[in-house]
This record gives sequence, C-alpha cells and structure tokens, in this order.
Amino acid sequence: EAGVAQSPRYKIIEKRQSVAFWCNPISGHATLYWYQQILGQGPKLLIQFQNNGVVDDSQLPKDRFSAERLKGVDSTLKIQPAKLEDSAVYLCASSLAGTSGGGSPSHNEQFFGPGTRLTVL
Amino acid sequence: DQQVKQNSPSLSVQEGRISILNCDYTNSMFDYFLWYKKYPAEGPTFLISISSIKDKNEDGRFTVFLNKSAKHLSLHIVPSQPGDSAVYFCAAGSGGGADGLTFGKGTHLIIQP
Repeated sequence: EAGVAQSPRYKIIEKRQSVAFWCNPISGHATLYWYQQILGQGPKLLIQFQNNGVVDDSQLPKDRFSAERLKGVDSTLKIQPAKLEDSAVYLCASSLAGTSGGGSPSHNEQFFGPGTRLTVL
Repeated sequence: DQQVKQNSPSLSVQEGRISILNCDYTNSMFDYFLWYKKYPAEGPTFLISISSIKDKNEDGRFTVFLNKSAKHLSLHIVPSQPGDSAVYFCAAGSGGGADGLTFGKGTHLIIQP
C-alpha cells in the first residue's frame, strides 16, 4: 500500500514570497491533516479535512495560510506572503476516520508523509 | 500552554535493557493516546495507541500504560535495540482519535551498544 506522498521535499524562498505544498493521501482515507513542525517542537495541527470539507482550521493563520482539498483527495497548502517564522517542516497525514466503516479508534490512526522542509530567508 | 508534555528531551539506554518514555497531559477531553517514532528527514511513524477506556496496550516489544487519574502515560520498550534510536513523540486526541492530534516536544532515545 502506497503511503502519503508530499512534494516538494525541500523549498527555500525569501520572505514575502508565496509557496505551495502538495499532498496525496493514502487511497480511501477520508480525513486529511496538515501539521506544522518547527525545529525542536512537536507537530502542530493547522487544518483538518474530512472528504472535501474543513473540520477544524482553528489554528490556521488565515491571514496568510490557505488550504484546499478539491474532490476530497489531494490537498494543497499555501502560504502568501511567507514570514521568517514560517520556516518549518509541513507534514501531511491521513486516516480512515470518517470513512464509511472506519469508525473504530484503530481506524483513526494517522499516517504521515515525509514532510516538506520550508526555509524562509 | 502545553497540553501534552514530554519532560525528558533525551534518554540514553543500553542495548537489551528497558527503555521507559514518559508523557503527561492536562486536557481531560483527550480520550485517545498514541506514540509515534521519527527518524531524521522522515515523517512520524505510528507505533502504538491506547484508548482511554484501557490502562495497558501491548504490541510485541512495545507496551503503553495509561494512568488517567494522574494524566500520565508511558511507553516501555523491552528489550531495547539499536534500531529503536529515534525521536519518540507522545500525542493525544479526542473523538476517539478522529480529531487532530496534540503532540509533545519529543524525546530523543539513544540506544547504546
């Protein structure tokens, strides 16, 4: 079974530029998550989708961050304009939560992609 | 405020001995707890989980213990192997784990030969 795919793996931009990250979840997984991991910290949830609807975006800095999940499969996360403090690894995860027949806790395990390391200069 | 705390940034254990990683949480709404393992330049890999209705879950060399009254959980690895050297993250969630997770800062486990 293919895992969660993310691209690009690395990105370097200057502050005030814009950047976009792409995520392809595990096939059949209804729920998709974007996390931000700053160096020395644990991942922090930015946004959660179930199919193509937003479940939780309370920690997404909406003045500069946006995300979408068209057709309930792939997702993109965009930052515009980027700030120095946005330097981090952006992780995408998916789970069976919300999938028909996937209601048990064991189906809610989140599987992570390799992440995109963003450096803002 | 940190809702999930891992107070040991690093832990060194001899190969073959038991590794015990600790985690504390403050949010009473958490009902699902997980441990993830992370190698450099890779995403976190799921290791083991436990629901709040249990106090122990075992999977091979890995056992997670949950003490709800103390809001504390621990991961035991027995016996520790060199490949276990990694950063271990404790995570917690509500909604049976369907919601987004809150992570601790991680503990870097080093297994010494």
